Amino acid sequence: IVMTQSPATLSVSPGERATLSCRASQIINSNLAWYQQKPGQAPRLLIYGASTRATGIPARFSGTGSGTEFTLTISSLQSDDFAVYYCQQYNNWPQLTFGGGTKVEIK
Amino acid sequence: QVQLVESGGGLVKPGGSLRLSCAASGFAISDYYMTWIRQAPGKGLEWVSYISSSGSNTYYPDSVKGRFTISRDNARNSLYLQMNSLRAEDTAVYYCAREAIATAGVFDYWGQGTLVTVSS
Repeated sequence: IVMTQSPATLSVSPGERATLSCRASQIINSNLAWYQQKPGQAPRLLIYGASTRATGIPARFSGTGSGTEFTLTISSLQSDDFAVYYCQQYNNWPQLTFGGGTKVEIK
Repeated sequence: QVQLVESGGGLVKPGGSLRLSCAASGFAISDYYMTWIRQAPGKGLEWVSYISSSGSNTYYPDSVKGRFTISRDNARNSLYLQMNSLRAEDTAVYYCAREAIATAGVFDYWGQGTLVTVSS
């Protein structure tokens, strides 16, 4: 299953909303996770089940979608949110695949 | 607290071998499926191996099947990745990660990674 993320780079001002997209090449139901990765750090789980926030993740992060189209929304960007975001499907477990990532940068 | 610490990375020549280790603390790996995921420099994430909680089942993508072997020592609370016949395209940071106990395929804790460079 190929995961395609868009855009590759998103320029956003602090306080604005960011909307990231992820598309699966075939239906994956709601078996989708989102991760955040900052430079030099390991990825951090944000969302699983397409819309369930992981423990400790702020409410400004929300996920929607099912089937093949998914969205991660950051409602009001904080300085700590500028990072690369990856989606990952696990519908085809154990053959897991990640998207290519969306870099959220300061506008 | 949960912690995963990888070690064993380094520079190796094409065709060579390397063994990575991942020491876990703050939880018992015997209760969890564990995995290795890699990230080539400036690139995205690629899953490279999975092992069941008992160690009886292992899984690999075609890109590493037959060359990489994942194993675990639950008594030592450690995970391993034996990498043979290494190629330039195996150059990456290798992360060990814990699969969330309630959701197969989701990784709730990751180590900081260890860099493997395959070059002559």
